[in-house]
Amino acid sequence: GAVVSQHPSRVICKSGTSVKIECRSLDFQATTMFWYRQFPKQSLMLMATSNEGSKATYEQGVEKDKFLINHASLTLSTLTVTSAHPEDSSFYICSARDERDRYSPLHFGNGTRLTVT
Amino acid sequence: RKEVEQDPGPFNVPEGATVAFNCTYSNSASQSFFWYRQDCRKEPKLLMSVYSSGNEDGRFTAQLNRASQYISLLIRDSKLSDSATYLCVVHGSSNTGKLIFGQGTTLQVKP
Repeated sequence: GAVVSQHPSRVICKSGTSVKIECRSLDFQATTMFWYRQFPKQSLMLMATSNEGSKATYEQGVEKDKFLINHASLTLSTLTVTSAHPEDSSFYICSARDERDRYSPLHFGNGTRLTVT
Repeated sequence: RKEVEQDPGPFNVPEGATVAFNCTYSNSASQSFFWYRQDCRKEPKLLMSVYSSGNEDGRFTAQLNRASQYISLLIRDSKLSDSATYLCVVHGSSNTGKLIFGQGTTLQVKP
């Protein structure tokens, strides 16, 4: 079945540094990928939609200059958290669909747990 | 009103019990529906899609009521391993692939 790989699974960084998270679709192409964030005991919140070859679409309240998204190929999207602060500590999850099926479910990467100290 | 609403629970049930979760959605044009399961500190995993005719997968039964705009998940003969958060997910009317997540219903199955 469709598999999405996300890396790294865990990262601890200092305030002010940047962190890059990679999301790959392993056995299908994805012109669109989705980035979610989840704080403890809260639901998944969509941050942005990553579009291959064009700019990402950000949800309301998400700073595009802070969360840089690059979708350089049909199988890879990256999210860079720039100048990270402790309040950015969260669980970041990417997802993608096999677009050959218009209404197929999303498949998730295994998530990245970011801790900013 | 939230686009997808679920009772957060928690639902505490004994092993072997039958438990049902409901979820309501606001967009009548929504096209497809899913239940995901999320374990603590892990990513969501697809449990089952929800079809208009209803569908069953082992101990799990999902149903869709378009007229009332709700989706249900029934778990029979609960196991300890069923303890998790169950997310109701709705795909909108566009083809962007954007899914709307409910906040999840937490289930705790006790011995």
